[in-house]
Formats: sequence, structure tokens, C-alpha cells
Amino acid sequence: NAGVTQTPKFQVLKTGQSMTLQCAQDMNHNSMYWYRQDPGMGLRLIYYSASEGTTDKGEVPNGYNVSRLNKREFSLRLESAAPSQTSVYFCASSEALGDSFNYGYTFGSGTRLTVV
Amino acid sequence: AQKITQTQPGMFVQEKEAVTLDCTYDTSDPSYGLFWYKQPSSGEMIFLIYQGSYDQQNATEGRYSLNFQKARKSANLVISASQLGDSAMYFCAMRERSSYKLIFGSGTRLLVRP
Repeated sequence: NAGVTQTPKFQVLKTGQSMTLQCAQDMNHNSMYWYRQDPGMGLRLIYYSASEGTTDKGEVPNGYNVSRLNKREFSLRLESAAPSQTSVYFCASSEALGDSFNYGYTFGSGTRLTVV
Repeated sequence: AQKITQTQPGMFVQEKEAVTLDCTYDTSDPSYGLFWYKQPSSGEMIFLIYQGSYDQQNATEGRYSLNFQKARKSANLVISASQLGDSAMYFCAMRERSSYKLIFGSGTRLLVRP
């Protein structure tokens, strides 16, 4: 019962470097999400994918790109990392579709990213 | 636009007592869902309880209950008989039926005193 798997768990980048955060879920969920959590704050939505083949911006999309590779996988890319992107990144998935929005959201364990 | 507000950055409660964590929300969608999550110091997000906007009764899950007051747009979490393991960050979140986005409040840090 892996649920939502994120890799890597920790990463240190230099300013200007690029990297991709990987996320995979094995629950056959339709919707997937990327959030960031800054110290002492709640989770803010970066991008989401309501279903395979679609992606949309969330609250804080600037500086990020995403790819819904297939139903299982949803990656987040930082093209040119900045210190302001130092955060903990969470991937989540949900069965939620249309009227069925009362399903829980399953979260990965997070990726702690530091940009120096 | 949907919005979640948690006005208590931190709270203390004595072990075995009950505590209420406040959450207010704003939405123009008549159909929505409200969620509470727990985040212990280890960092994972743990789903606690869900309340739908059309649910007639307040949701309960073990020691957790949700005090849902629709007219006041509040969805407070009540934890009964607090335990030391309840010390954590607690987040209120909402999803509108018309949106796929789950939006979070800023959280409340709860510390349970022995």
C-alpha cells in the first residue's frame, strides 16, 4: 500500500539550477496536485491535474512547470531555482471528480528543497 | 473565490480536556466540502474528518467532531479527551464542487500539556 510516492525526499540546489520532483500514485486516482509549504504556513497549491491530460495553475504557479505523464505520475519542474523556492513540496492525489468531491486527498511524505 | 481562515496560530490544552480549533470559510458555491488534516512534527499530512455542505448532521470520527455552522460559515474541529499525541499542526481545508482545488488555511499549532 504505497499510496503517493515522492522522490527525492531531500534536495539542495544552487540558484539557477533546474530539477524535477517526481510523484507517483498507485490508487488509480484521477486528480493529482502539487503544494508547497513554507515554515509556519499552510499548504499553497502550485498546480493541479484534474484528470490525465489536463493541468491547471493553482495559487502560486510562477517559476514552476508540471507534466501529467500518465494517470499515475505527475512531475513538478523548477527550471531556474531561486532561494524563494526553498520549501517543503507535497504531492497529493484524489479520486475527486465532479460531484464526487467528498473523497479524501492522499498526500506524499514531502520533498524538502533548499535553494542556496 | 474560496478562502479559509484559521485565526489561532497556537493553542494549549491540558491532557484529557476538550479543545476547539476554529475555522471559517468563504465561498459562493452552494456545494462544497470541508476537511481537517493533522500534521505532526514528522511532517506527513493525516486526514481527520470531512463535512459536506449538504450534510444534515455534524461529522464525527472517534474523538474528532466537526461543529458545522453553515450560516456563520464556520467549521470548527473539536477534539475530545486530548492526548499527548494530539500535539501537532492542524489544517482546515475546503474544496468547492465547481473546482478541483483543495485550499488550506494557515493552520493552528496545538500543544497538549501533561
